[in-house]
Parts: sequence; C-alpha cells; structure tokens
Amino acid sequence: GESVGLHLPTLSVQEGDNSIINCAYSNSASDYFIWYKQESGKGPQFIIDIRSNMDKRQGQRVTVLLNKTVKHLSLQIAATQPGDSAVYFCAETPQGGKLIFGQGTELSVKP
Amino acid sequence: DSGVTQTPKHLITATGQRVTLRCSPRSGDLSVYWYQQSLDQGLQFLIQYYNGEERAKGNILERFSAQQFPDLHSELNLSSLELGDSALYFCASSVAEGKLFFGSGTQLSVL
Repeated sequence: GESVGLHLPTLSVQEGDNSIINCAYSNSASDYFIWYKQESGKGPQFIIDIRSNMDKRQGQRVTVLLNKTVKHLSLQIAATQPGDSAVYFCAETPQGGKLIFGQGTELSVKP
Repeated sequence: DSGVTQTPKHLITATGQRVTLRCSPRSGDLSVYWYQQSLDQGLQFLIQYYNGEERAKGNILERFSAQQFPDLHSELNLSSLELGDSALYFCASSVAEGKLFFGSGTQLSVL
C-alpha cells in the first residue's frame, strides 16, 4: 500500500551543525513531495517542495534531495538554529491524489 | 501566519455530543482540506472540498461530515463523539492540488 515513512523518529543536533532528516516513500507514481515543519501548538508550515523531474532543490538554509531510484527524500538544514526545533514531516502526492504524510521526525537543537 | 483561520482553538466536550469546527481558507484558495492529528496516527486526511463540492474522501468516519459554503469557508461536524475522537483537527487550503497551507488547528478534548 501507499506509505511515507521516516527513518528516524528523533534527531538531536548541536546548534550550528547541519541536520539531515530522511524519508522513504513507497509509491513510485508520486510526482510531488513537500517538507513541512510543525512547531508545538501550531499547524504544519510549508518549508520546501520538489517535483519528481528534479533531484535537488535549495531554499534558504534548506535543501531537499530526491532519489527516485531508491524512493528516498531528505531535508538538509544548514547551520541549525534553536528555532529549527520542531517536528518535520515529509509528504507525497501520487499523481494529483491527496497529500500523504509521513509520521514525522522530531528535531531537537542543543545550544 | 498561513492565512487559514480556524475556530475555535480549543473545544472541550463530553462523549455523545456534537461539535462544529470552522475554517476560513486563504483568500483565493478554492480547495479546503481537513486533517486529524493524533499522537498515534499522525496526520490523517479526512476530506477535501473544491469550490463547494466534495473532491476526495479519506479516513473520515460516518459520524463526521463536512461542507464548504458559497463563501468558501468550511465546517467539519463531529457527532456522537467518543473519547478516541480527541485530537487536533487541522484545516488547510490551496489554490489547486499540491501545496497546502495549514491553519493553527482546533484541539478537541472529549471527556
């Protein structure tokens, strides 16, 4: 069945280090992927997206990498800051279908 | 601020009761989505409306229903509430399929 999963449920990094959050997806027909950030008490916030015709996309301090061969998605956060502490969700859209969310990874940034 | 407004922020009610959650989408967005977030289930898609019509259904119980009004705001009705319905309910909107913008959610507690 369709599923989007995260390799690590929790990730702890030192402030200033780079963070890498990984995600595996199972639907090879998915053509659109999004990373969301959810802080405590708030709704998911869009971070960055990528379409299946790309393998890398950069934003401000964030980079998303897509490896369609192994159906893997990653979010890289450069120079991680305390404000980056949150739960990060990857989500996929199988060809115009509804957005399917993974379980989430909690990122904790140590000062 | 995502531009999506949800009310109320918190709702406490008893088993067997009925509640209505309200959502105003971002200006110009025609699609409204409802998601349920609980600790053990993650973000689960419930239902989508597009310009007043139901577009897609997810894991929505028969006790739950939704509608989208001509002014594009949406309501999610939850009836015969059970303890297990306690969760965060999010509304999201989008111009079209793909990137969703989420509200801050309604925390429902069924006692």
